[in-house]
Amino acid sequence: QSALTQPASLSASPGQSITISCTGPYDVIASYNYVSWYQQHPGKAPKLLIYELTHRPSGVSVRFSGSRAGITASLTISDLQAEDEADYYCASYTPPKNLVVFGGGTKLTVL
Amino acid sequence: QVQLQESGPGLVRPSQTLSLTCTVSGNFVNSGPYYWSWVRQPAGKGLEWIGQIYTTGKTHYNPSLRGRVTISLDPSKNQFSLSLTSVSAADTALYYCVKYIDSWDAFEVWGQGTMVTVSS
Repeated sequence: QSALTQPASLSASPGQSITISCTGPYDVIASYNYVSWYQQHPGKAPKLLIYELTHRPSGVSVRFSGSRAGITASLTISDLQAEDEADYYCASYTPPKNLVVFGGGTKLTVL
Repeated sequence: QVQLQESGPGLVRPSQTLSLTCTVSGNFVNSGPYYWSWVRQPAGKGLEWIGQIYTTGKTHYNPSLRGRVTISLDPSKNQFSLSLTSVSAADTALYYCVKYIDSWDAFEVWGQGTMVTVSS
């Protein structure tokens, strides 16, 4: 059982925006800015989309953005494209315990 | 451009030790504010962090693996390795080696993954 909770699946149509949530303990999500997000297409390794809650690595589309409200971090994908259909994972480093936890993953379907 | 490549046996017998190596190119394993990490993924399931080693040799492990894990560095070969003892079918998974950037608190570069099956 993951320490971070994500919806198992979501769906939306091309051009729409969608938000994937990642809810965790206060001392993981709310206390630190260590949340990252990953995209994984079938048969491929995960790809980093967002680090430290809101930062995009070079080369990642501006359509991907991160935020947080309380104990929930979120990944928003705007102007959905067919190629955004994938699994998405949140993760967070937890300083007191020196470990990394992943969310259970969200399967995004673009209708 | 940093690249990581996993290698090791694809089949391990139950109760034996799983040993994998990750060869790094484009970055020295003993240089930089990085952790060299292992993450696994059972077929059809989510990602699980196994542990990581800092460039200085400091390690952190997933407590759920109950002391079965050891990660080590070999700067002479620019590699790092995973050892997982007393394996069972539950350890069957795709194993990724990953570069974790300390200042980003994120997994930046992933290997392609190597499938390990635990079976007699």
